[in-house]
Amino acid sequence: EAQVTQNPRYLITVTGKKLTVTCSQNMNHEYMSWYRQDPGLGLRQIYYSMNVEVTDKGDVPEGYKVSRKEKRNFPLILESPSPNQTSLYFCASRLFGTGSNQPQHFGDGTRLSIL
Amino acid sequence: AQSVAQPEDQVNVAEGNPLTVKCTYSVSGNPYLFWYVQYPNRGLQFLLKYITGDNLVKGSYGFEAEFNKSQTSFHLKKPSALVSDSALYFCAVRDISDQLIWGAGTKLIIKP
Repeated sequence: EAQVTQNPRYLITVTGKKLTVTCSQNMNHEYMSWYRQDPGLGLRQIYYSMNVEVTDKGDVPEGYKVSRKEKRNFPLILESPSPNQTSLYFCASRLFGTGSNQPQHFGDGTRLSIL
Repeated sequence: AQSVAQPEDQVNVAEGNPLTVKCTYSVSGNPYLFWYVQYPNRGLQFLLKYITGDNLVKGSYGFEAEFNKSQTSFHLKKPSALVSDSALYFCAVRDISDQLIWGAGTKLIIKP
């Protein structure tokens, strides 16, 4: 089954404790992206990657890091989480280039609470 | 600045009635247009898209959307609403830079 898998689904942690949210897709998609969803603000892109070893900042990259060492994986790293990063996070993937008219596939989300 | 507007935070419709969720955009060129749905505790699911051609596009779960170039709108519609259609709906536009611009979302509530 084609899917985007995020882990964990829920996490409560404390300020300053480094955490990683993993994302993996099995569709051989070039393009992967991280979003955060906050009430009234819709989806805001944090980082995206157009292929292995190619990453770029989205609209709200501050406080986040990503890496793309393999095509299927795109982890989101919070080196020193703060309460304003409490949010619902989504990973998404799609084809790139000639596939840019294709929709994105989303994971089920990770709800992060930073105390 | 490029933007996508969903002017209604919430839309309430009685079951069996037609529904419309509005989306307008301000994006240069000929963008690709998408609708996604989000059910509670789930990720977004693709509903339908407009790339080119017929202005009325059909998608999943009986939804359709009408593209209007002169009004730069892409409204989501369904002839007869179901309670199970209750969810959060997002409009998105892909511009020439290949990035998606998202609307803020519209909560659709279908009452029995």
